[in-house]
Amino acid sequence: SQQGEEDPQALSIQEGENATMNCSYKTSINNLQWYRQNSGRGLVHLILIRSNEREKHSGRLRVTLDTSKKSSSLLITASRAADTASYFCATDGANSGYALNFGKGTSLLVTP
Amino acid sequence: NAGVTQTPKFQVLKTGQSMTLQCAQDMNHEYMSWYRQDPGMGLRLIHYSVGAGITDQGEVPNGYNVSRSTTEDFPLRLLSAAPSQTSVYFCASSPRRGGYEQYFGPGTRLTVT
Repeated sequence: SQQGEEDPQALSIQEGENATMNCSYKTSINNLQWYRQNSGRGLVHLILIRSNEREKHSGRLRVTLDTSKKSSSLLITASRAADTASYFCATDGANSGYALNFGKGTSLLVTP
Repeated sequence: NAGVTQTPKFQVLKTGQSMTLQCAQDMNHEYMSWYRQDPGMGLRLIHYSVGAGITDQGEVPNGYNVSRSTTEDFPLRLLSAAPSQTSVYFCASSPRRGGYEQYFGPGTRLTVT
């Protein structure tokens, strides 16, 4: 069954603003990953955070992980129109046989 | 490197027909997997393989078969297509299972009428 649940389902912002997406999951995990999917394309890996890490940065991306609350957030700073895409969190752990479980995604629209 | 390739890009089948979706990777990855993506549902795991000769079921395996005779190839077979299998199918690979980023193919859009 799907482990992650992203919130909000859809987000619309203007260029230059920050975008925050949240992910909650149900069972203990080893790792949590965020992926981006442009319309009609495959998924592209953004960042992986391990269960013993609390925060990770990659360029304009900042991911936090709170294992006590079973939640993660993805912050995109200074958004650009090219950031328009769907964003998915995915978790893996012993409960899933270490296979990735994806959430349903957040659809982000960045308008010029 | 070509990465993960999938063929065909689009396919229309009639109910009851069978077909094979091809997936290949040239990164020498041990782990390969198949997902289906339906509107509003995210990605659901169909089957996966941790190496040549080893496959296992994911969340939604019914109606699909897989085999892994080589490290590079991981075909997905639809035995008798049903309208419920209309979806976009993605193949992915990673060096190992768990704790590694997955590399996705461009997808196959399948319609079953």
